[in-house]
Amino acid sequence: NAGVTQTPKFQVLKTGQSMTLQCAQDMNHEYMSWYRQDPGMGLRLIHYSVGAGITDQGEVPNGYNVSRSTTEDFPLRLLSAAPSQTSVYFCASSLTAGVDEQFFGPGTRLTVL
Amino acid sequence: RKEVEQDPGPFNVPEGATVAFNCTYSNSASQSFFWYRQDCRKEPKLLMSVYSSGNEDGRFTAQLNRASQYISLLIRDSKLSDSATYLCVVNIRQKYIFGTGTRLKVLA
Repeated sequence: NAGVTQTPKFQVLKTGQSMTLQCAQDMNHEYMSWYRQDPGMGLRLIHYSVGAGITDQGEVPNGYNVSRSTTEDFPLRLLSAAPSQTSVYFCASSLTAGVDEQFFGPGTRLTVL
Repeated sequence: RKEVEQDPGPFNVPEGATVAFNCTYSNSASQSFFWYRQDCRKEPKLLMSVYSSGNEDGRFTAQLNRASQYISLLIRDSKLSDSATYLCVVNIRQKYIFGTGTRLKVLA
């Protein structure tokens, strides 16, 4: 099992550009989520999904879109990148939402100029 | 007020010391609780889940106090390799909410 994979590892964007961060898991987990981590802020939940076709907003959803067309994939779209979106982005999955451990991908380091 | 709060530290302790971290949460509907460990610039990894009766895994002990709405992590006989950031995580209505983390440095 590859676990949770994220691509790309690093990305530099210009203000106003759009892009998609990819996340995939091969553990047949129902629950997937996206976080951003900024210095001194901990991980903040952007969006999450409890299963294919179902997504919901987390703590900081503005400027981001998600979709969950399959159990395996949960891409995060930045619609019009802003410098405030410079951060490290982590994708995670767990068997269900609730008592289960989350497994994290290695992260994507995004810089918006 | 943040939903999950931790003292950011750093806690600087000598090898062999015992150190304890607390984490408070504000939502009484919180369902499950975890401690994660994060090494510099790496992804978080589960250290242990926290159960109502308390639980122990080797040198690590976790406790949950629902009445006072806090969880704790005790590390005994600290090792240099325990140096990391420890993240408290609370699950509230299908959302995993993280504290900002507590930095631990174990000194030789």
